[in-house]
Amino acid sequence: DADVTQTPRNRITKTGKRIMLECSQTKGHDRMYWYRQDPGLGLRLIYYSFDVKDINKGEISDGYSVSRQAQAKFSLSLESAIPNQTALYFCATSPVAGSDNEQFFGPGTRLTVL
Amino acid sequence: QKEVEQNSGPLSVPEGAIASLNCTYSDRGSQSFFWYRQYSGKSPELIMSIYSNGDKEDGRFTAQLNKASQYVSLLIRDSQPSDSATYLCAVNRYSGAGSYQLTFGKGTKLSVIP
Repeated sequence: DADVTQTPRNRITKTGKRIMLECSQTKGHDRMYWYRQDPGLGLRLIYYSFDVKDINKGEISDGYSVSRQAQAKFSLSLESAIPNQTALYFCATSPVAGSDNEQFFGPGTRLTVL
Repeated sequence: QKEVEQNSGPLSVPEGAIASLNCTYSDRGSQSFFWYRQYSGKSPELIMSIYSNGDKEDGRFTAQLNKASQYVSLLIRDSQPSDSATYLCAVNRYSGAGSYQLTFGKGTKLSVIP
């Protein structure tokens, strides 16, 4: 089945460490997204990419960077992790441009920063 | 005013009853509307999309859209304990430069009591 995968699924790290979360998809979708989810705050968009040469900031990009290595791969980096970046992180993909924007989510990465 | 609003719940209904989940949105130009189901600790799963005013039915689920009132709802008929989850309303809105972004509500937690 065409799918969205994320690695690692769980990660515990220390303040100040650099960490990378990876997302791969076999859906053939051009658009990819990174979200974080916090209790009481819902899903918030960090970065998104419409194709390999296109990267856009979302609502809460400070402290994060991304790399779109290929159509199928989109990585999220925390250059110097801090405790308030502890959250559940989701990658998502979308097949179409314009106003439809149905998005399909990966299984998530639970990140804890001590 | 928050862009997408949902009652956080919990909404408790007995097994076999109709569960009614509501969502309001602020951007009148929004074109596409989605309902996601999220089990605890899992990723959001797309269950319904609706693009025009009226009702859209899929099995036990019915999505209702009223653009004049800026209101979208999800009805779940014959509710089952397996429907117990958090339901996220998502609205696709134009964010400029030919781009659209999906904005999520914080979700309504549904509990179906056997």
